[in-house]
Amino acid sequence: GENVEQHPSTLSVQEGDSAVIKCTYSDSASNYFPWYKQELGKRPQLIIDIRSNVGEKKDQRIAVTLNKTAKHFSLHITETQPEDSAVYFCAASMNAGGTSYGKLTFGQGTILTVHP
Amino acid sequence: NAGVMQNPRHLVRRRGQEARLRCSPMKGHSHVYWYRQLPEEGLKFMVYLQKENIIDESGMPKERFSAEFPKEGPSILRIQQVVRGDSAAYFCASSPLRAGRETQYFGPGTRLLVL
Repeated sequence: GENVEQHPSTLSVQEGDSAVIKCTYSDSASNYFPWYKQELGKRPQLIIDIRSNVGEKKDQRIAVTLNKTAKHFSLHITETQPEDSAVYFCAASMNAGGTSYGKLTFGQGTILTVHP
Repeated sequence: NAGVMQNPRHLVRRRGQEARLRCSPMKGHSHVYWYRQLPEEGLKFMVYLQKENIIDESGMPKERFSAEFPKEGPSILRIQQVVRGDSAAYFCASSPLRAGRETQYFGPGTRLLVL
């Protein structure tokens, strides 16, 4: 089955700096890669996603890059703000049929702290 | 446009009791996924259901856990004879799961505490 590794486990930055979180996946059949932000005691919320036919996607201060050959993808947050502090999870899934269709395999999470 | 609904939000059970967790997907979504999050850990897939069908239960413990998604009503995750190790947050997510629309939207979770 799919295995997703996420690094670093904790990340501390100063307000205004950039933050980068990296994930690798094992199953070359995976073709959908979402990123979720989870605040303490809250639900995971989708912040950005990318499909395997795209190499990069950007939404304001957030961007995701995907390298299919190397099987890794990264989240980039620029101009970080204290409200960006949360746990971030990457995930991978295969959406092309079969019983694992749509099932998300999550990374272990990164605790991001943005200091004012 | 209501999001994914889960109830109860908090559930306390004593060892040996049964826990029933309910999930109502977003309108128009026919695919439901259950995930478990142990304290300070990531989310682990448990089961994937469509209406009246279990598609993938590879993440479900073999004993005491069951799930259903009936034709009418919410999806139910049932845990029989709970043990302390079952204490966790249980999230469901729903998706329309069509090409280009794979996004899973999560409910607020049910936090189960087993005493």
